[in-house]
Amino acid sequence: GEDVEQSLFLSVREGDSSVINCTYTDSSSTYLYWYKQEPGAGLQLLTYIFSNMDMKQDQRLTVLLNKKDKHLSLRIADTQTGDSAIYFCAERGLSGYSTLTFGKGTMLLVSP
Amino acid sequence: GAGVSQTPSNKVTEKGKYVELRCDPISGHTALYWYRQSLGQGPEFLIYFQGTGAADDSGLPNDRFFAVRPEGSVSTLKIQRTERGDSAVYLCASSLTDNNEQFFGPGTRLTVL
Repeated sequence: GEDVEQSLFLSVREGDSSVINCTYTDSSSTYLYWYKQEPGAGLQLLTYIFSNMDMKQDQRLTVLLNKKDKHLSLRIADTQTGDSAIYFCAERGLSGYSTLTFGKGTMLLVSP
Repeated sequence: GAGVSQTPSNKVTEKGKYVELRCDPISGHTALYWYRQSLGQGPEFLIYFQGTGAADDSGLPNDRFFAVRPEGSVSTLKIQRTERGDSAVYLCASSLTDNNEQFFGPGTRLTVL
């Protein structure tokens, strides 16, 4: 079945760049997503990338996709304390219509 | 409303009881999804509605779980004979169609004692 793996924890200092990595197994993935979850809040879509792209930039966020290695990363430039949250990688494959398969999430802690 | 809303925000029940969790999607969204998020895990898909019908219920763990969306808007997730392992945050999401961004609600935290 489909599987999405992420590292569980990342700690950075304010102003540094953060890189959160994700690997997935479904070679038929059409879209790959990054969601942010803050305590007590719902999931917020940060950005997504279509599987035929290898890079997408959106302000402080850069998504890199290596389809051959099934590796996705999210880079946050100039990380702020407000970026502290859990970040989920998710994929949408052909087999699951529009349902999403999520990783377990990476907790990002930004210290002043 | 402006976003997806879910009620109640918290539900504590005893083992063996029946619970209903409600989801109000964004107005006009035809697709609605239920996910379950256990502690330390990512959300796991339960069921997906397109309009009034369940297009995919392959994520429901067993026949104690059932969901309805009778008028194609509000959805209710129903859990019979709750077990302690059902304790989790139940998330609802909606999208304009099944090919658009999913907007998530804040979730219902279910605790089964």
